[in-house]
Amino acid sequence: GAVVSQHPSRVICKSGTSVKIECRSLDFQATTMFWYRQFPKQSLMLMATSNEGSKATYEQGVEKDKFLINHASLTLSTLTVTSAHPEDSSFYICSAARRVNTEAFFGQGTRLTVV
Amino acid sequence: SQQGEEDPQALSIQEGENATMNCSYKTSINNLQWYRQNSGRGLVHLILIRSNEREKHSGRLRVTLDTSKKSSSLLITASRAADTASYFCAQFQGAQKLVFGQGTRLTINP
Repeated sequence: GAVVSQHPSRVICKSGTSVKIECRSLDFQATTMFWYRQFPKQSLMLMATSNEGSKATYEQGVEKDKFLINHASLTLSTLTVTSAHPEDSSFYICSAARRVNTEAFFGQGTRLTVV
Repeated sequence: SQQGEEDPQALSIQEGENATMNCSYKTSINNLQWYRQNSGRGLVHLILIRSNEREKHSGRLRVTLDTSKKSSSLLITASRAADTASYFCAQFQGAQKLVFGQGTRLTINP
């Protein structure tokens, strides 16, 4: 099966600092990766779509300078939350697909708490 | 940007009963996917049904797709306590973005 590893699973950081979350496809090459944010008992809100080697496409209302996404290779995408604030505390989930319109496989999620 | 809606938002049934969840979407699709999420965890891919398919089975799961009504359903037969989770449908919007419905929180009572 396709495995996506997301790291770290939990992180606590101080307000004003930056946090990097990694998303790796372990056994397949992912041309497309997605980053989501999920609030308690709610659905997944798409933040951005990234394609390997190109700039990420951000959803309306998502600050690209605050949520930096890099999809440097076919197996790795990173999300950096810059100058984090308590309101950025949330559950962030990545997913990866070999190509669009195919099955997308998800990481385990990262619980970010900004204090 | 949510693609569609699911109903019911919450469903509670007894172990052994069947659970049916519905998903409606707004735009044309190439395929529709169903996922399960246990509390506080990542999503597990359950099944993908293509737009030219009407029904698909995987173990105790049965998915139907009605493109004329822009709707899909997920049936879990002979439910078990371990099926307790949230279930989401998802579609590619504009052939690029994978967006999710609101989800159904399913509780299986022993």
